[in-house]
Amino acid sequence: DTAVSQTPKYLVTQMGNDKSIKCEQNLGHDTMYWYKQDSKKFLKIMFSYNNKELIINETVPNRFSPKSPDKAHLNLHINSLELGDSAVYFCASSQGTGGLPAGELFFGEGSRLTVL
Amino acid sequence: GENVEQHPSTLSVQEGDSAVIKCTYSDSASNYFPWYKQELGKRPQLIIDIRSNVGEKKDQRIAVTLNKTAKHFSLHITETQPEDSAVYFCAASRDYKLSFGAGTTVTVRA
Repeated sequence: DTAVSQTPKYLVTQMGNDKSIKCEQNLGHDTMYWYKQDSKKFLKIMFSYNNKELIINETVPNRFSPKSPDKAHLNLHINSLELGDSAVYFCASSQGTGGLPAGELFFGEGSRLTVL
Repeated sequence: GENVEQHPSTLSVQEGDSAVIKCTYSDSASNYFPWYKQELGKRPQLIIDIRSNVGEKKDQRIAVTLNKTAKHFSLHITETQPEDSAVYFCAASRDYKLSFGAGTTVTVRA
C-alpha cells in the first residue's frame, strides 16, 4: 500500500503545453511538498501546504500553480512548459504541525518531466 | 534563508573502508538535521536524523555528529558495502522548510 503516490511517473511533452502532476498520501500527514530535482541531482523545494494552506512558496515562475483540494492531495499544474522545466518532480509529506520541524519527509516515486 | 553546503560532491571508497560527508549550514536557528539516501532511479529516503539538543547519534554502521557552535554536521558510514553506493543528501530545517545540500555521490568499490 503506497504511502505517497504520484502520477504520472513519466511525462514527455512539447514546449508551450500545459501539464499536471497529481500526488496523494495515505499517511494522515498534515503537510505536503513539491520538490524539483534537476539533472545535477539538486533537490529544491517549490511549495508546501499545511492542511490545505500554502505555507511555503519559493521563487518559482508563476507558470507553476499548486492546488490542494484536501490535506491528502497536492497537485502541481504547469502552464506554457519550457525546456528548463525538464526535471524530476517529487511530492513529499510529513507530520509537521504548528511550526515544529518538518520531521521525516516521505517522498513519492517522482515524476520525470521531459520537455521537447 | 538557510544555505546548506555539502562536501565532497563525489566520494569513492574501497569496500570495508569508512566514508565521511560534511555539511555546513548558515541559519543558527536551524534545529533539525536529517540525512537522506537516494539510490539510482529511486526516491530519497531518510537514513538518520539529529536534533540540535543532541551532539551525536548512531544507528548500526551510520552515525551523525553535530557541532552547533561551528554550524556543521557530518555523516559517517563505517564498513562500507556495495549497497551503500548512492547519492547522500544532508539537510537543515527550523520549521517546515527543509533545505538540502547539493548531494554526495558515494561509490563503494568491491
